[in-house]
Amino acid sequence: DAGITQSPRHKVTETGTPVTLRCHQTENHRYMYWYRQDPGHGLRLIHYSYGVKDTDKGEVSDGYSVSRSKTEDFLLTLESATSSQTSVYFCAISEPGFKQYFGPGTRLTVT
Amino acid sequence: KNEVEQSPQNLTAQEGEFITINCSYSVGISALHWLQQHPGGGIVSLFMLSSGKKKHGRLIATINIQEKHSSLHITASHPRDSAVYICAVLPNTGNQFYFGTGTSLTVIP
Repeated sequence: DAGITQSPRHKVTETGTPVTLRCHQTENHRYMYWYRQDPGHGLRLIHYSYGVKDTDKGEVSDGYSVSRSKTEDFLLTLESATSSQTSVYFCAISEPGFKQYFGPGTRLTVT
Repeated sequence: KNEVEQSPQNLTAQEGEFITINCSYSVGISALHWLQQHPGGGIVSLFMLSSGKKKHGRLIATINIQEKHSSLHITASHPRDSAVYICAVLPNTGNQFYFGTGTSLTVIP
């Protein structure tokens, strides 16, 4: 299995609070991705990174920001959490054009 | 709008049956990815293919680029195959995968 960890694995937070999720890899893969998974929807891309300090938006980026200051870490921040951001968040890594490897997921509940 | 459609959405089979899950897409792609997600959430990569067929154990994935269609077959299904199977495509133009909503498979002993 690819070395990807996510933290925290579970979080409950209140509406309006900031939240940061962390993805850490030990594989030195260039690309890192943040997805959310909701019932009735496929995995949807929030943001991705193609290198240190190089990031781009996905299809559901509103309300989220990301940062990648080193190859191994990709942070996802919800500046002011809303109930619509209750979801399971997955991080993934890949080399360009190759298969993606997924982290274990973070279950976030915004009350 | 989802550019990736999977069928069926739900599938129940008896142990030992041959299973087929289908994936259709609407854009030109450079690769297609089949993934498996067990209850409890972990997502595992099964196959990535851009043409022809790949086989691993009891799993076989095929793709027809002209028809924009891929199938995942499971031979001699087993209850441990019960999971959600997800298809994802990597368009020719772009760096991001687009995912289907998944096919939930239950294999009954």
